[in-house]
Amino acid sequence: GAGVSQSPSNKVTEKGKDVELRCDPISGHTALYWYRQSLGQGLEFLIYFQGNSAPDKSGLPSDRFSAERTGGSVSTLTIQRTQQEDSAVYLCASSSAGGQYNEQFFGPGTRLTVL
Amino acid sequence: AQKVTQAQTEISVVEKEDVTLDCVYETRDTTYYLFWYKQPPSGELVFLIRRNSFDEQNEISGRYSWNFQKSTSSFNFTITASQVVDSAVYFCAGGGNAGNMLTFGGGTRLMVKP
Repeated sequence: GAGVSQSPSNKVTEKGKDVELRCDPISGHTALYWYRQSLGQGLEFLIYFQGNSAPDKSGLPSDRFSAERTGGSVSTLTIQRTQQEDSAVYLCASSSAGGQYNEQFFGPGTRLTVL
Repeated sequence: AQKVTQAQTEISVVEKEDVTLDCVYETRDTTYYLFWYKQPPSGELVFLIRRNSFDEQNEISGRYSWNFQKSTSSFNFTITASQVVDSAVYFCAGGGNAGNMLTFGGGTRLMVKP
């Protein structure tokens, strides 16, 4: 079956612009996660959605970052007024149930470059 | 706070050698879960194994084996008879009671030379 998909695969933007990154989780997976992979910080958790519960936003680095999940499926990560330090690969993952004990399946990521 | 440490940043071996990747997990949670992921050059993280804190049995899957020792909070990963296709970055990750996110180690880049 289809895995987690993300779009775009690459995004180059200018400092100060807003960007939107999209994630399509595996069909039927109720849990969705966003992570960021950067050279300086490694792999970091950003935000977690589980069903209709309020998202866990504890990993978002600033209020410029936000995410939503529509209809319990597709998610969009938005970064406003991008900065050069936002340059990273943004990874989306989904799992069949919330919780750390279920393996998370990762998408190919979106490579964001902020000039 | 949880912390996952992979002390080896880079390992280089010759094909057919055995190699062990180290992982140490620190947490105050009584129940926790550990994972290994592989990130090949293509970039996509591939799930390899999950282990919970109650299960200290070693696990073997083909050329891969995992050794979890709760007393030392270590969850080491051994590849037997390494192959060039094993070249990748390997991440150890953990999750605990307090949250649903994974805490990743810094990763170990494994290079297997022919």
